[in-house]
Amino acid sequence: ELKVEQNPLFLSMQEGKNYTIYCNYSTTSDRLYWYRQDPGKSLESLFVLLSNGAVKQEGRLMASLDTKARLSTLHITAAVHDLSATYFCAVGYGGATNKLIFGTGTLLAVQP
Amino acid sequence: DVKVTQSSRYLVKRTGEKVFLECVQDMDHENMFWYRQDPGLGLRLIYFSYDVKMKEKGDIPEGYSVSREKKERFSLILESASTNQTSMYLCASRGQVQETQYFGPGTRLLVL
Repeated sequence: ELKVEQNPLFLSMQEGKNYTIYCNYSTTSDRLYWYRQDPGKSLESLFVLLSNGAVKQEGRLMASLDTKARLSTLHITAAVHDLSATYFCAVGYGGATNKLIFGTGTLLAVQP
Repeated sequence: DVKVTQSSRYLVKRTGEKVFLECVQDMDHENMFWYRQDPGLGLRLIYFSYDVKMKEKGDIPEGYSVSREKKERFSLILESASTNQTSMYLCASRGQVQETQYFGPGTRLLVL
């Protein structure tokens, strides 16, 4: 059974600090997705990682994928309040159907 | 931009009622998905469809059915609503296999 674990589940950080969210998964996959969800809103796609060693950056967020370690990271640089949200990773499985299994999410609160 | 719309943002229904949740996408995507989101459990796949009239069960299909009569529309049906189906329901669509899924705004369903 494919399992996806995120940690931490909750992260409170100060503006200007750096931190990393970790996403571990239990079976082979080379498709990893990161999403952001604001309170009461739907999910917004952040990154699509499709190969071992893939790294993508957008603003203060950088995501990477290590398929051998079955690990993806979402690194936050110099956090700002606008980054406060819940972040989900999701792993693709099922071949051509590419269904997703989601982690439980990381609630990020950036304090001024 | 991809647009995924859901028929209702909020619904209140009584136990035993038949409930229809509608989802429409405007990008000619073959694949459409229904999830439910519950605190601490992340998103869980209920059903998905990879073509008109084609459907497959996801991880938690019990108590639900779906209909896809047209490519752009995917309906989730609760044949006899129960209180444990109170949840946020999210629809998503996807084009090519490795592409990210695009989510609708969600329907928050309360079953009394």
